[in-house]
Amino acid sequence: NAGVTQTPKFQVLKTGQSMTLQCAQDMNHEYMSWYRQDPGMGLRLIHYSVGAGITDQGEVPNGYNVSRSTTEDFPLRLLSAAPSQTSVYFCASSYSPGFTEAFFGQGTRLTVV
Amino acid sequence: GQQLNQSPQSMFIQEGEDVSMNCTSSSIFNTWLWYKQDPGEGPVLLIALYKAGELTSNGRLTAQFGITRKDSFLNISASIPSDVGIYFCAGPKGSGNTGKLIFGQGTTLQVKP
Repeated sequence: NAGVTQTPKFQVLKTGQSMTLQCAQDMNHEYMSWYRQDPGMGLRLIHYSVGAGITDQGEVPNGYNVSRSTTEDFPLRLLSAAPSQTSVYFCASSYSPGFTEAFFGQGTRLTVV
Repeated sequence: GQQLNQSPQSMFIQEGEDVSMNCTSSSIFNTWLWYKQDPGEGPVLLIALYKAGELTSNGRLTAQFGITRKDSFLNISASIPSDVGIYFCAGPKGSGNTGKLIFGQGTTLQVKP
């Protein structure tokens, strides 16, 4: 099993550029989430999805967009990159109701210059 | 709102020593999760706790779900160099099970051989 796969692993963007961070899972998990990790702040929830076609905002959604057209994929779009979005981004997936544990991808390290 | 506070923020110990860290919250949690993040990787689940007072072990790791449901503890016995990393506590964000997690700020562990 590949688990949760994120691409790319590294990315440098110029301010104002847009891009999509890809996330795919092969565990048939209903729940998927995006987090960002900044030094000393743990992981903060950006957006999440409880199933195909259903998404909602997390703690820090501004500047990001998501969609969930399939169970497997949950891409994160940066609409107009800003230096404040320099961070490490993690995608996670979880089983259906009854389980809380989330499984994480390896992360995408994004630098906005 | 919900918040998790971890302490200590960082630890530098000698190989073979035991380690203790904790996580506290101002609100009640029904589940406590402990993750470890190796440098350059995503968080990996170590232990999940579901019941107040529960004590669960995973090899040299032992975690406890506090009786008040507002805290949790993680102990590592006889530390080894590969224990190096960041340890996060986490719990379900909000009510219900939507796969959303809230994380503590992390405890960074360094082990001197």
